[in-house]
Amino acid sequence: EIVLTQSPTTMAASPGERVTLTCRATSSINYIHWYQQRSGTSPKLWISETSKLASGVPNRFSGRGSGTSYSLTINSLETEDAATYYCQQGYNYPLTFGSGTKLEIK
Amino acid sequence: QVQLKESGPGLVQPAQTLSLTCSVSGFSLTSYTVTWVRQPPGKGLEWIGEIWSDGSTDYNSALKSRLSISRDTSKSQVLLKMNSLQTEDSAIYFCTRARGWYFDFWGPGTMVTVSS
Repeated sequence: EIVLTQSPTTMAASPGERVTLTCRATSSINYIHWYQQRSGTSPKLWISETSKLASGVPNRFSGRGSGTSYSLTINSLETEDAATYYCQQGYNYPLTFGSGTKLEIK
Repeated sequence: QVQLKESGPGLVQPAQTLSLTCSVSGFSLTSYTVTWVRQPPGKGLEWIGEIWSDGSTDYNSALKSRLSISRDTSKSQVLLKMNSLQTEDSAIYFCTRARGWYFDFWGPGTMVTVSS
């Protein structure tokens, strides 16, 4: 099973800041996918195939990475970005998710 | 537009069988994979299994012995059955549409509590 480790577990940042969330896999994968989950709602696809923004996602978000190391970056943080972000791999069964990074806005 | 909606009993007794239904609209079950994912309260996401557009299935090996996913294409419904439920199976259960190896649309989820 491919384990995805996300860091940090929780972070707080101020509006306008640049933040980077990371996701590391226990073995090399081809892509990572990211989901945003706001409190009390279902997850939403945010970034697919490492760097493709889902429909409606602001372009202050970006994704990159390869092999075992991936990241999601938010340029110029906004209050609406407060959420938990999960990464997910579809390279091997069982499909797995990271444990999430909870992003709080100061 | 694409929509998915889960429905189920809410409360299940330990050792009993859970039956959930995912009703979809805006796409065909014969064209897309539908996946089940669960989330225990306050915790992360776990992939349960999926039914492909051709009707074949894949399951999480940790749950495979207790799990069955099927569909009724005439009703645009995907069915999940999980037996021998324990308290650790208490979670929000989501159905999702899969596009390739990621999940592009999610239902709102249905909470399942395992308790006597």
